[in-house]
Amino acid sequence: QVQLVQSGAEVKKPGASVKVSCKASGYTFTSYDINWVRQATGQGLEWMGWMNPNSGNTGYAQKFQGRVTMTRNTSISTAYMELSSLRSEDTAVYYCARGKLRYFERVRGDAFDIWGQGTMVTVSS
Amino acid sequence: EIVMTQSPATLSVSPGERATLSCRASQSVSSNLAWYQQKPGQAPRLLIYGASTRATGIPARFSGSGSGTEFTLTISSLQSEDFAVYYCQQYNNWPTYTFGQGTKLEIK
Repeated sequence: QVQLVQSGAEVKKPGASVKVSCKASGYTFTSYDINWVRQATGQGLEWMGWMNPNSGNTGYAQKFQGRVTMTRNTSISTAYMELSSLRSEDTAVYYCARGKLRYFERVRGDAFDIWGQGTMVTVSS
Repeated sequence: EIVMTQSPATLSVSPGERATLSCRASQSVSSNLAWYQQKPGQAPRLLIYGASTRATGIPARFSGSGSGTEFTLTISSLQSEDFAVYYCQQYNNWPTYTFGQGTKLEIK
């Protein structure tokens, strides 16, 4: 079935970087955008950025510009999100989520129809 | 940036009754709006896209309406499994997406 499976929980010290993976299966990985969304404990959803796995093109929320990098390895159908200069406020669950339409069908943005299970990232000294 | 504002923050409704959740955009997002349901410890689930189209497998008791800046999610007859947090999301202002802050639907 169509699914996104993320890497396991991480504990990092302030100032470090974290790289979360998101492995796609059950569909053509390069045909659908991958987005990253995070959620601090007890808080709402915060969109971080998107990536077109076909071209590698990316777009990041202004808040994360300069600190986030989204990449992919098409040979293993896996997307990555790396966040650097971590601080305690980055402690959250990080989700990858697939855009519902194939990227070449998308006129504007898109709803997210498939989500990974989430990866807990804890930043603590 | 388009700001999405959901109301109320918490809604208390009895099982079997109707629930109406609101979402307002700070500027027009046309019909490029989605609704998600999230239960504790789970990832969000897509309910509605295009403001009014149910996603695959979503029961008919969920309906969405609105366009422009005012949107509504209605759950016609609440089941026990419907008590959760609901988020709206605009995707008109691509490549930037924004979510509302969420409405918690709790059992009265």
